[in-house]
Amino acid sequence: NAGVMQNPRHLVRRRGQEARLRCSPMKGHSHVYWYRQLPEEGLKFMVYLQKENIIDESGMPKERFSAEFPKEGPSILRIQQVVRGDSAAYFCASARGLTGGVPQHFGDGTRLSIL
Amino acid sequence: RKEVEQDPGPFNVPEGATVAFNCTYSNSASQSFFWYRQDCRKEPKLLMSVYSSGNEDGRFTAQLNRASQYISLLIRDSKLSDSATYLCVVNRDDKIIFGKGTRLHILP
Repeated sequence: NAGVMQNPRHLVRRRGQEARLRCSPMKGHSHVYWYRQLPEEGLKFMVYLQKENIIDESGMPKERFSAEFPKEGPSILRIQQVVRGDSAAYFCASARGLTGGVPQHFGDGTRLSIL
Repeated sequence: RKEVEQDPGPFNVPEGATVAFNCTYSNSASQSFFWYRQDCRKEPKLLMSVYSSGNEDGRFTAQLNRASQYISLLIRDSKLSDSATYLCVVNRDDKIIFGKGTRLHILP
């Protein structure tokens, strides 16, 4: 399967715990995007990364959220001290290069539930 | 004003009918445009790109009007399997901006 791989598919955490969401882009793609989708809402851009660099994090909450895309391994979206409002579907998308005219390919998403 | 706006619907349409929805964008510097489809609790999937010259793929036709800053999607001979949320997507300066989507229900 050469698609965008996200894991876990479902993640349950208690308030105050940490959540780590992983995304492996399609083969040959070096650009990764993270989006959050609340129930009955559209996708909200969070962060755009290339290998080892954060290009645009204008959609990321200033506290508790961080993202990385190391030279080796998947991209990680990390949420510290989770709260109920973090419950959402988190989608990752990858692209080969600059996205001008290049559509993104999405993973199946991670559904995060906070108890 | 949101950068990408769509009528949320739902559009309830009998099977076999033709349905059209529009999406407007506010930034004239937007560079490329797409329609995505999202089924309930699934990931978005690219449906088609949108060009000024129009783009047709089977029963689906997409059109871009740069002067009026809107994008349209037309579905002919609608099928039950077309029921989904259709997301208008605009690309500007490497930023991909999603509309909230239009929900379509095809009725048997």
